[in-house]
Amino acid sequence: DAGVIQSPRHEVTEMGQEVTLRCKPISGHDYLFWYRQTMMRGLELLIYFNNNVPIDDSGMPEDRFSAKMPNASFSTLKIQPSEPRDSAVYFCASSLTRGPYEQYFGPGTRLTVT
Amino acid sequence: AQTVTQSQPEMSVQEAETVTLSCTYDTSENNYYLFWYKQPPSRQMILVIRQEAYKQQNATENRFSVNFQKAAKSFSLKISDSQLGDTAMYFCAFTPLTQGGSEKLVFGKGTKLTVNP
Repeated sequence: DAGVIQSPRHEVTEMGQEVTLRCKPISGHDYLFWYRQTMMRGLELLIYFNNNVPIDDSGMPEDRFSAKMPNASFSTLKIQPSEPRDSAVYFCASSLTRGPYEQYFGPGTRLTVT
Repeated sequence: AQTVTQSQPEMSVQEAETVTLSCTYDTSENNYYLFWYKQPPSRQMILVIRQEAYKQQNATENRFSVNFQKAAKSFSLKISDSQLGDTAMYFCAFTPLTQGGSEKLVFGKGTKLTVNP
């Protein structure tokens, strides 16, 4: 298996622009997680899905952030409009409900908003 | 609330020596899994080792082993014969298991380990 795939790996955009991050989980995994990592705040869980349904979005910082999972093999995290404080590394991870229970992480997307 | 605490923000060790990273957690659940993840400068999150709470035997993976003390809710990671490639941020994580299985992981804030030549 190719593992969790994220695109793009790097994104540089100007404040106010829309940003879309993409994730393909490991085939057969039924949980998908979106994280944000910064030096100041560490690793934060933004939202997670089970069988394509959002379960908990309490970590989404504000209405500018939205996430979708239209099918079992694809998810997006959108920021509109983007702000400099959104600069971070965004990780996608997937796992299986019934085990093994560890999460498999993608390589991350480094987002820079200028 | 379920929490994971890593009390050592930074540690360093000489190459070939042994180092232990601490982790404590708080939960009322009886059945759960514990993990250590490694994040090298490449930022890829890599699973190092896992421990099932119902197993008394400590997990080992080559040079990596854990000291799991369920009553004390402690889960430390020992790295033997440290190598330069072990330089990374290490995260302790925990997931409770329910009848429905596992959901999200609870992560600690991490310990930055530097292996010196």
